[in-house]
Amino acid sequence: DAMVIQNPRYQVTQFGKPVTLSCSQTLNHNVMYWYQQKSSQAPKLLFHYYDKDFNNEADTPDNFQSRRPNTSFCFLDIRSPGLGDAAMYLCATSKTGALNTEAFFGQGTRLTVV
Amino acid sequence: GENVEQHPSTLSVQEGDSAVIKCTYSDSASNYFPWYKQELGKGPQLIIDIRSNVGEKKDQRIAVTLNKTAKHFSLHITETQPEDSAVYFCAARTGANNLFFGTGTRLTVIP
Repeated sequence: DAMVIQNPRYQVTQFGKPVTLSCSQTLNHNVMYWYQQKSSQAPKLLFHYYDKDFNNEADTPDNFQSRRPNTSFCFLDIRSPGLGDAAMYLCATSKTGALNTEAFFGQGTRLTVV
Repeated sequence: GENVEQHPSTLSVQEGDSAVIKCTYSDSASNYFPWYKQELGKGPQLIIDIRSNVGEKKDQRIAVTLNKTAKHFSLHITETQPEDSAVYFCAARTGANNLFFGTGTRLTVIP
């Protein structure tokens, strides 16, 4: 059974139209991450939550925001998607932020901007 | 910040042969080194990991070695099968929550 679930799997949005991607987890993990993965590239961390504490990566554009209303759910909001934001967006969780705690990934949401 | 380099970017092997993928990292504070397999259109799946207090770990056909002094670690897949074909990412964890990925290796196993 899937433990980190991302919806939708595929999302098409118009240039400049706000879009929200969702992630839910059944693992009761403390940490939830959002990664952006462009074609043939490594996943790049955008931000993460440790419980309710939000941590933004220094080079994450302001256009990207996140919400975590409870332990199970985390959302990625793209306020004004540009063509360069087309990518696979990956959600991941880990039990704690300890150095050697494995991360579990969802299947990803592939975002297309038209 | 941490910088993880991965080689080669593509690798083709005959079925039954071994495949080796190598990674180096820059931050000596990194303590955890997972390997992920990513199939087309799917999220990365953890296949094996190693912690800094261990030099080698094996799980059936997959093994990982770590040289902390040289700051490099490697993935070894023996007796490769067509279903091993995928993109493989190494990663290193530095700091409490950051997981830095290598650039990926596209492995093709030729039947």
